[in-house]
Amino acid sequence: AQSVTQLDSQVPVFEEAPVELRCNYSSSVSVYLFWYVQYPNQGLQLLLKYLSGSTLVKGINGFEAEFNKSQTSFHLRKPSVHISDTAEYFCAVYYSGAGSYQLTFGKGTKLSVIP
Amino acid sequence: DSGVTQTPKHLITATGQRVTLRCSPRSGDLSVYWYQQSLDQGLQFLIQYYNGEERAKGNILERFSAQQFPDLHSELNLSSLELGDSALYFCASSPGGQPSYGYTFGSGTRLTVV
Repeated sequence: AQSVTQLDSQVPVFEEAPVELRCNYSSSVSVYLFWYVQYPNQGLQLLLKYLSGSTLVKGINGFEAEFNKSQTSFHLRKPSVHISDTAEYFCAVYYSGAGSYQLTFGKGTKLSVIP
Repeated sequence: DSGVTQTPKHLITATGQRVTLRCSPRSGDLSVYWYQQSLDQGLQFLIQYYNGEERAKGNILERFSAQQFPDLHSELNLSSLELGDSALYFCASSPGGQPSYGYTFGSGTRLTVV
């Protein structure tokens, strides 16, 4: 079965430090990749997406992610985090052509930014 | 405001009862997806409707059912509720039958079964 693995359930980081949240997916011919952010007591908001083209994708709030096909990874990065980045981050994959019609989500990574 | 509207925002009910959660998709979107989010299970896909027809089914219990109406709003019906059904229920929408561009999520309905 297709799956999405977020290797870290919690990541604490000091304010203004860089952060990387890791995401790996099951190998497949055609994938569309997404990162969502969920602030406390809110719904999920799209941060960025990779559909095709350049493997480095820039999103909102200074986040970026890199699609690595050989490593089947789509890690999310930010060079300098802010307190307001404290939230839960979800990696999601659409496995196109695999008989699936929905996104498969990872279990989430809780990012805590320490002042 | 994402454009996806879910009501109610909060619901507290007793075991054995039945509730209905409502979702209005973003204008122009034809697909509605329902997800359950709990601490131990994460985001679990329940069911998808596309233009009024059921398109995909996930880990949806037999006690749960859903439908999408001609105006494209959707309702998720949860019956014979158990304590374990307490969770956040999200609705999301997408323009077509496949989420090639991702979803737009609503703000969720928090269900508490007591």
